[in-house]
Amino acid sequence: GENVEQHPSTLSVQEGDSAVIKCTYSDSASNYFPWYKQELGKRPQLIIDIRSNVGEKKDQRIAVTLNKTAKHFSLHITETQPEDSAVYFCAASRRRGNEKLTFGTGTRLTIIP
Amino acid sequence: GAVVSQHPSWVICKSGTSVKIECRSLDFQATTMFWYRQFPKQSLMLMATSNEGSKATYEQGVEKDKFLINHASLTLSTLTVTSAHPEDSSFYICSNWLWDTEAFFGQGTRLTVV
Repeated sequence: GENVEQHPSTLSVQEGDSAVIKCTYSDSASNYFPWYKQELGKRPQLIIDIRSNVGEKKDQRIAVTLNKTAKHFSLHITETQPEDSAVYFCAASRRRGNEKLTFGTGTRLTIIP
Repeated sequence: GAVVSQHPSWVICKSGTSVKIECRSLDFQATTMFWYRQFPKQSLMLMATSNEGSKATYEQGVEKDKFLINHASLTLSTLTVTSAHPEDSSFYICSNWLWDTEAFFGQGTRLTVV
């Protein structure tokens, strides 16, 4: 089955700096890669996703890059703000739609004011 | 707004008792519901996939007789933790897809077994 690894497990950055979180996956059949933000005790919220036919996607301060050959994808957050502090999970699935997700181990991001 | 409604949000039960968690699809019908479990400071791990009108599919290592899943209608899926023990204490969360747009999650249920 799919295995998703995520690094780092914790990350602290100064407010205004950039944060990068990286994930690797094992199943070459995976084609959909979402990123979720989870605050303590809350449900995961989708922040951005990318499909395998695209190498990069950007939404304001958030961007995701995908290298399907190397089987890794990354989340980039620029101009970080205190409200970005949360746990971030990457995930992978074979398709977008009615498919199970395999999650990474999570990254606790702390933005230092 | 919410696409999946999960109840209860938290529950405390005694060892040996059973607890039922409900997830409802709002405003649309879902033939499939995914049930995940998240231990403190850990990731979400898929437990099982429920399908309306058929038996659920369980992931390796998940006891189907302990975690009973029922998906009797297109809008309701339930997870019952039977004979709960302290090691079952966890955050249980359901998820389904709004067509092929994105996966939505319920609010989660914090189960504490004492």
